[in-house]
Amino acid sequence: GNSVTQMEGPVTLSEEAFLTINCTYTATGYPSLFWYVQYPGEGLQLLLKATKADDKGSNKGFEATYRKETTSFHLEKGSVQVSDSAVYFCALTNYGGSQGNLIFGKGTKLSVKP
Amino acid sequence: GAVVSQHPSWVICKSGTSVKIECRSLDFQATTMFWYRQFPKQSLMLMATSNEGSKATYEQGVEKDKFLINHASLTLSTLTVTSAHPEDSSFYICSASNRLDGYTFGSGTRLTVV
Repeated sequence: GNSVTQMEGPVTLSEEAFLTINCTYTATGYPSLFWYVQYPGEGLQLLLKATKADDKGSNKGFEATYRKETTSFHLEKGSVQVSDSAVYFCALTNYGGSQGNLIFGKGTKLSVKP
Repeated sequence: GAVVSQHPSWVICKSGTSVKIECRSLDFQATTMFWYRQFPKQSLMLMATSNEGSKATYEQGVEKDKFLINHASLTLSTLTVTSAHPEDSSFYICSASNRLDGYTFGSGTRLTVV
């Protein structure tokens, strides 16, 4: 079946450090891949997405590239800020558009210290 | 942008009582809504998919008589946890599909059954 595996947290970094959160997936066909972020006390927000192999999603300095050969969608940011402290979820859907449900990883909590 | 309001954000109830959670799409029509459950340090697990005007589709292992889902309009879906027990204590999140980025999430409901 479809599944998402992401690195366990928590991850603690100093401000301006480089961030990588690993995400790998198992899916049939050609899933769409997402990163969602959940700030304290808030709902999940879409951070970025990619819908086909070699696509790069980017937003707010975060990037992730859809790598079909390694079934990965690792999240990166060159210089994190305290305001990036949140829980990050990698997810996939195997349906076109938004008619199907998302399958999530367990989430990775990021804490950025000043 | 697309906004989903979920209410209440937290609730404490006595064992044996029922609790209703509402999920409203504020500025768009949501023909499909998803209900997820999240245990501590676990990923979001899909409970059911609700479609406006029809019966919800439940995932395997989810008791439909215990978790009643109603999607009577294009902007409102409700989840009722009936005869709640302590093991039902969890974080429940709704999601609605939209045309912009695919999915919009509510802020979640923390249910504690005592």
